[in-house]
Amino acid sequence: DAKTTQPNSMESNEEEPVHLPCNHSTISGTDYIHWYRQLPSQGPEYVIHGLTSNVNNRMASLAIAEDRKSSTLILHRATLRDAAVYYCILMLLMRDDKIIFGKGTRLHILP
Amino acid sequence: EPEVTQTPSHQVTQMGQEVILRCVPISNHLYFYWYRQILGQKVEFLVSFYNNEISEKSEIFDDQFSVERPDGSNFTLKIRSTKLEDSAMYFCASRGDSLTLNQPQHFGDGTRLSIL
Repeated sequence: DAKTTQPNSMESNEEEPVHLPCNHSTISGTDYIHWYRQLPSQGPEYVIHGLTSNVNNRMASLAIAEDRKSSTLILHRATLRDAAVYYCILMLLMRDDKIIFGKGTRLHILP
Repeated sequence: EPEVTQTPSHQVTQMGQEVILRCVPISNHLYFYWYRQILGQKVEFLVSFYNNEISEKSEIFDDQFSVERPDGSNFTLKIRSTKLEDSAMYFCASRGDSLTLNQPQHFGDGTRLSIL
């Protein structure tokens, strides 16, 4: 599976936007970019995914670089509840979709 | 919104005993998974299950582990003879009410297994 690189941790102030980066320079043309997060004492939770175009949903936005070698998860207005570990994951189209989790980015939200 | 539910939330078992972890996936989902997370470590894939058989399993999922979907609603993970190193959070996940690719997986909140 293609590898992703994320910062170990980030901090942001409450009610401000957060940009979580992910590098995936070895991404293949059929890899989807998925983001999950894991709140404290909970199971992982799907956030968003995309292939080439930027994506928006009620939780977040996903900005994908034109060459697809990097992407950014955007939380438009962070709340304390957004404090979690965020995982950027590549998943190959047309293949078994077990999730291979990395270490992710631990996001701290400052009140 | 439908949820994946797992029971019990915490299971304490003596080493060498059998343990069964239970999951109720989302009702119209077709694909089922178990993952585990040892304290302070990454979430690790154990097994995937579709159409009443194992689709894929990891190296962790050895002969001591088994999965079953005994009825239309439950999905269980059995560890036959538990070891100290089996202590972890175990997460069940389910996906897909169709064969649409790249549907997200929905996770339960896990069972904390403590082996004494």
